[in-house]
Amino acid sequence: DAEITQSPRHKITETGRQVTLACHQTWNHNNMFWYRQDLGHGLRLIHYSYGVQDTNKGEVSDGYSVSRSNTEDLPLTLESAASSQTSVYFCASSESGGINEQFFGPGTRLTVL
Amino acid sequence: KQEVTQIPAALSVPEGENLVLNCSFTDSAIYNLQWFRQDPGKGLTSLLLIQSSQREQTSGRLNASLDKSSGRSTLYIAASQPGDSATYLCAVFSGGYNKLIFGAGTRLAVHP
Repeated sequence: DAEITQSPRHKITETGRQVTLACHQTWNHNNMFWYRQDLGHGLRLIHYSYGVQDTNKGEVSDGYSVSRSNTEDLPLTLESAASSQTSVYFCASSESGGINEQFFGPGTRLTVL
Repeated sequence: KQEVTQIPAALSVPEGENLVLNCSFTDSAIYNLQWFRQDPGKGLTSLLLIQSSQREQTSGRLNASLDKSSGRSTLYIAASQPGDSATYLCAVFSGGYNKLIFGAGTRLAVHP
């Protein structure tokens, strides 16, 4: 069955370190998204991609970057982790060619000390 | 700026009740609307996607309606079960192609 996987599921890091969160989908979807979920803010869009070599900034993109070198993967990099980036991160994907249902991964809980 | 509100924030009901979860949005110029379920510590599970041209969508015991002109959607759960206990999230596609704007969710507890 097609799925989205995220790794690691839990990570603890220190302020100032670079961190990369992995997202891999086997749906063969062109659209991929990264969200963060925080109490009091709900889910907010960080970055998104509509295909290979395409990346776009979302609502809360400062301090984050993504790259899309193939259809299956969209890694999220925190260039210099800050305590404000402690959150749960979700990756999602959807088909292209319209406004289509988004499917989410299990999430990564990141703690920045 | 699009804002999505879900009422109530929390709901506790006995098993077997029919219940309605509400979602409202400030800008009626949405594309589609998607309802999700989230279990504690887990990811989001898609329940229903309502196209902007549709007024409702059904899946099993779930029925979601959409009224774009009034900026509202409702999720109806028939004959609730303890396994329905979760947080239900409403999200609208707005402000850009395929961008989802989420509400804060309704936390549902169904007790035996």
